[in-house]
Amino acid sequence: RKEVEQDPGPFNVPEGATVAFNCTYSNSASQSFFWYRQDCRKEPKLLMSVYSSGNEDGRFTAQLNRASQYISLLIRDSKLSDSATYLCVVSRAGGFKTIFGAGTRLFVKA
Amino acid sequence: DAGITQSPRHKVTETGTPVTLRCHQTENHRYMYWYRQDPGHGLRLIHYSYGVKDTDKGEVSDGYSVSRSKTEDFLLTLESATSSQTSVYFCAISPTSGDETYNEQFFGPGTRLTVL
Repeated sequence: RKEVEQDPGPFNVPEGATVAFNCTYSNSASQSFFWYRQDCRKEPKLLMSVYSSGNEDGRFTAQLNRASQYISLLIRDSKLSDSATYLCVVSRAGGFKTIFGAGTRLFVKA
Repeated sequence: DAGITQSPRHKVTETGTPVTLRCHQTENHRYMYWYRQDPGHGLRLIHYSYGVKDTDKGEVSDGYSVSRSKTEDFLLTLESATSSQTSVYFCAISPTSGDETYNEQFFGPGTRLTVL
């Protein structure tokens, strides 16, 4: 079993749709949680950190459930520019114990 | 912008030849990492460094070596390239503020390596 698992995707949604990404992690010692976005043939870029209280950044909402070891990302009012691969990332103490999920591809269509 | 550059950006080489990839950062961060990214595997850590001359192995270190003689440069060497090392290689840093290192990572633009 992989340490970080994501929906395999791809997700195909129309513009304006709400889309949810789910991620589970297996190591209860994990301390930091992130969502990254990766465009085709580009480097991953930090989208947002995920906190136990949940956090929101514009159209993006991230949630963390430590008891269930589950992380989510919600994108509201999808834009064409949201088309990318979304990576769930979990870190224990020290960046060298960072595990990246395989990613979920999102296609937003007009 | 985390000020990370990688060189070369693209390279084609032959099996058995040595290859060195360079990662350069401009902001004096202590932690640097090398990853490879392959379809179906996501990002996998090859080696990381926590200071000048301080390095350690990651998940997929076989066939790779690293060196860090200056804070700003982290080199990845394939001593004798094999076709299985065809991949996209990303360098990353964790930002440092004083004595504190943050867990988020920022990536360079990547190097596409093809071993024929």
